[in-house]
Amino acid sequence: AQKITQTQPGMFVQEKEAVTLDCTYDTSDPSYGLFWYKQPSSGEMIFLIYQGSYDQQNATEGRYSLNFQKARKSANLVISASQLGDSAMYFCAMREAQGAQKLVFGQGTRLTINP
Amino acid sequence: GAVVSQHPSWVICKSGTSVKIECRSLDFQATTMFWYRQFPKQSLMLMATSNEGSKATYEQGVEKDKFLINHASLTLSTLTVTSAHPEDSSFYICSARAGGGQPQHFGDGTRLSIL
Repeated sequence: AQKITQTQPGMFVQEKEAVTLDCTYDTSDPSYGLFWYKQPSSGEMIFLIYQGSYDQQNATEGRYSLNFQKARKSANLVISASQLGDSAMYFCAMREAQGAQKLVFGQGTRLTINP
Repeated sequence: GAVVSQHPSWVICKSGTSVKIECRSLDFQATTMFWYRQFPKQSLMLMATSNEGSKATYEQGVEKDKFLINHASLTLSTLTVTSAHPEDSSFYICSARAGGGQPQHFGDGTRLSIL
């Protein structure tokens, strides 16, 4: 069964610093996708970045990059030059290519950016 | 981009009533829709997967008779919480996908409070 683990319940970072949010996963499916979502206090799920298991390069989207280490089964999110508006819950999620292709979420990390 | 509309955003009702939540894909046809439940400060837990025109597949521990899911068209899925009680109070969020391998797009969620 697929499993996603986020071990950091909360992170506190100074504005303009870079921050890394950890995510590890486990799956027996050789083909899978990894996602990061941001959830502000209003509740909506905002898609940030995607990494496919066969992608050769780490995904990047603006200030977001995904540090994909396949052998270690980790997919950490790196936010560069953090901003006050980055304060939110962040969820890592995985979708296997086989079966129902369900998106399964990690426990989440609450990121707080301090001025 | 793909838009998923979820209605209502908020609902407060008395214990014992049934509540219907709608999830609509506005600009694409959603062959598959997912329903998640999120308790405060916790992650999204998948409740069920629904494919258009067929019965929903419920996750283990989710009561089928309690949470009725209908996916009658390619743009609409509904979740009905029957005979709701205070313990059903939660944040319910849906997502929709055009087809296998396609990204999931989330609605903005529904905050359900049962008095």
